[in-house]
Amino acid sequence: QKEVEQNSGPLSVPEGAIASLNCTYSDRGSQSFFWYRQYSGKSPELIMFIYSNGDKEDGRFTAQLNKASQYVSLLIRDSQPSDSATYLCADSYGNKLVFGAGTILRVKS
Amino acid sequence: GAGVSQSPSNKVTEKGKDVELRCDPISGHTALYWYRQSLGQGLEFLIYFQGNSAPDKSGLPSDRFSAERTGGSVSTLTIQRTQQEDSAVYLCASSLGLAGYHEQYFGPGTRLTVT
Repeated sequence: QKEVEQNSGPLSVPEGAIASLNCTYSDRGSQSFFWYRQYSGKSPELIMFIYSNGDKEDGRFTAQLNKASQYVSLLIRDSQPSDSATYLCADSYGNKLVFGAGTILRVKS
Repeated sequence: GAGVSQSPSNKVTEKGKDVELRCDPISGHTALYWYRQSLGQGLEFLIYFQGNSAPDKSGLPSDRFSAERTGGSVSTLTIQRTQQEDSAVYLCASSLGLAGYHEQYFGPGTRLTVT
């Protein structure tokens, strides 16, 4: 059974700083990973999708995948109070996603 | 374009009643997923559809839960004889194809409360 582990947080960073969110996974054969953002009371919103080793950048967001160490991370540059949310990491398994429990991020102005 | 839509947004029902939750995926998305998120918990996979077929029903918690999809589009999740532990947010997602290769987009969810 695949497992995805995330530190529940909360992770607190000052406005303008880099927020670093991490996720580890159990299946060495996993190929692709997703990062979602979920505001309180809302549904998850897709941020990034990564399937290759290395970095993938999209605006202020950078996803990093290290298959040898079985971790995937999300960096948020120039963090804003509006980035305060729960960030969910997901591993694909067959035709479904297996989600971690999420990390709460708080950006303080 | 339009995103995934779900109805109702909120549903309060008495224990023992049946409920139907509806999902309308993004046009052209062949894959449709149902997840459940209980208070303070992560997302739990329930069932997956490819077209009108459900190759993976492994996440359905009990035989009180069933789902169907018609016309390769709208899906309905039915919970019979609801129990208090069924209270959760039920989320639907859709994608162009296989989960590992295509992004899944979520609808706003249906908040189910069983009293």
